[in-house]
Amino acid sequence: SQQGEEDPQALSIQEGENATMNCSYKTSINNLQWYRQNSGRGLVHLILIRSNEREKHSGRLRVTLDTSKKSSSLLITASRAADTASYFCATDDYKLSFGAGTTVTVRA
Amino acid sequence: GAGVSQSPRYKVAKRGQDVALRCDPISGHVSLFWYQQALGQGPEFLTYFQNEAQLDKSGLPSDRFFAERPEGSVSTLKIQRTQQEDSAVYLCASSFAPQKADTIYFGEGSWLTVV
Repeated sequence: SQQGEEDPQALSIQEGENATMNCSYKTSINNLQWYRQNSGRGLVHLILIRSNEREKHSGRLRVTLDTSKKSSSLLITASRAADTASYFCATDDYKLSFGAGTTVTVRA
Repeated sequence: GAGVSQSPRYKVAKRGQDVALRCDPISGHVSLFWYQQALGQGPEFLTYFQNEAQLDKSGLPSDRFFAERPEGSVSTLKIQRTQQEDSAVYLCASSFAPQKADTIYFGEGSWLTVV
């Protein structure tokens, strides 16, 4: 079963715009992670946010976590064509439960 | 090696054939995971090893699926009598920490097509 669910399923933006995607989960967590997957490739870890953190930054990425709403968001600022990929949130423990992902297309 | 290495990258199997997928994790990583990813879906957990011990195989879809990691490094996922529904990408991943939330490093996957 997949605990994290991303929204929207797909997102198309112009280069330079910001992209925001959301993740909702069902049970309490210790941490939440975001991964990126380029077409035909494996997943790449982007950022981990712990349950006692509300916001975290890494380069052009900003992740928020609201444990009361059981949701997280990933913001990519000043998007580039290379950001075109699927983005997944994954919850907790050691074996990770992934959602179906948000497919982001950045148009040049 | 520098990353998680999987082979073969692509495999076409006839229905009923047995297949073996290999994973070379990052050297020194204790934890090793196998995931199955269907087209357009997120990865689904199959099984977890801590060193050579298979601690969790709750995600294996049937007894046709078997995984091993006999010396605590290289792992093999074997699928017997393949069926069309087994067509998917099989991702291997490893992490340094045992059974603890940690950055997990994924391989590029083995793409299995059963015809």
